[in-house]
Amino acid sequence: QAQLVQSGAEVKKPGASVRVSCKASGYAFNAYYMHWVRQAPGQGLEWMGIINPRGGTTTFAQKFQGRVTMTGDTSTSTFYMELSSLRSEDTAVYYCARGPDTVVVVPAAPEYWGQGTLVTVSS
Amino acid sequence: EIVLTQSPGTLSLSPGERATLSCRASQRVSSSYLAWYQQKPGQAPRLLIYGASSRATGIPDRFSGSGSGTDFTLTISRLDAEDFAVYYCQQYGSSSITFGQGTRLEIK
Repeated sequence: QAQLVQSGAEVKKPGASVRVSCKASGYAFNAYYMHWVRQAPGQGLEWMGIINPRGGTTTFAQKFQGRVTMTGDTSTSTFYMELSSLRSEDTAVYYCARGPDTVVVVPAAPEYWGQGTLVTVSS
Repeated sequence: EIVLTQSPGTLSLSPGERATLSCRASQRVSSSYLAWYQQKPGQAPRLLIYGASSRATGIPDRFSGSGSGTDFTLTISRLDAEDFAVYYCQQYGSSSITFGQGTRLEIK
């Protein structure tokens, strides 16, 4: 059974960067893409981007281009999402969610999600 | 980018009643790559339906999805107390995934 465990809550000042981790277990790390999705307090779900752990190629939502980095560490089966130049509007719960198979690349609805990481941006 | 519009924004029903939630896309969703999620406070979204009409593992058969092209529906045949939550549709067929704004299903 796949499991995604994320890092703990963070409090950051405006202009800083934050890195959220997502440790994958129960499946082969390189076998599936990983999405990142966020949810501001009381708001809906917003897709940020996706990473292919085979080679590290990424696709980002236009809104986050230039401000987000997504990486994966095969040695620890851990994905990372870093968001820079934080502002108050970035206060949200950030989720990782397992994406499609990296070999047979057929679109797949994310079924496995991390528990979420609350990032608070406040001066 | 495909924009998904859900209606109604809030649906007030009683346990045992039938719920019908709508999701309309701004352009055709390829191969019916449309999913529905349930989210309860403080929890991650839970996948209910994928491919517009296929139930995810462990999802009760009172949940059903239908539709194609630009119009999709989630139906809950008989509401259970645990079904009151927020529901999101999602399209995952394009390079940029998008979500609807959500429908809140509340107890009447």
